[in-house]
Amino acid sequence: SQQGEEDPQALSIQEGENATMNCSYKTSINNLQWYRQNSGRGLVHLILIRSNEREKHSGRLRVTLDTSKKSSSLLITASRAADTASYFCATARITTDSWGKLQFGAGTQVVVTP
Amino acid sequence: DGGITQSPKYLFRKEGQNVTLSCEQNLNHDAMYWYRQDPGQGLRLIYYSQIVNDFQKGDIAEGYSVSREKKESFPLTVTSAQKNPTAFYLCASSIPGTASYEQYFGPGTRLTVT
Repeated sequence: SQQGEEDPQALSIQEGENATMNCSYKTSINNLQWYRQNSGRGLVHLILIRSNEREKHSGRLRVTLDTSKKSSSLLITASRAADTASYFCATARITTDSWGKLQFGAGTQVVVTP
Repeated sequence: DGGITQSPKYLFRKEGQNVTLSCEQNLNHDAMYWYRQDPGQGLRLIYYSQIVNDFQKGDIAEGYSVSREKKESFPLTVTSAQKNPTAFYLCASSIPGTASYEQYFGPGTRLTVT
């Protein structure tokens, strides 16, 4: 079963605006990762946040993690047309059975119009 | 260039035929994964391998088979037993033994079975 649930399913914004998407999960995790997928392509890793971290930045990306609420958010600031893609959160939980496995959500489709 | 290659990009098969999807990596990663993606959905894990000559079933292994005879290669066979094989298939690899489990993805193979 899929661990992460992204919200919203789709997001349409104009260039220069910020885009925020959320991810909720059900079980305890070791880390949470965000990936981007351009249409018809493979996924690209964007950023990883560990369970003992609350916020992380990478360029125009800002990720937060609230383990008490089992949720994370991804903020893309000053969006560009090239940010148009689907964004997925994935959770990693290290146990004997789930070592190395990621559980992906269904994704948020972001469209940035010029 | 280091990376993961998948071939072919598009594959068409008749119902009842087995088909093998290729995945090769030159990243020197021990762990490799196969995912299935259906339209508008997230990734579901089919099989994964942490080391050569060893592999484990993922969440949706029925109707699929894999082999891991070489570190660089992790081919996936979609058998005639898979009831709904038309999908986008993604291969990934990662470095085991790290806490991050960041995965590197190939460009994908789109399989259409008619």
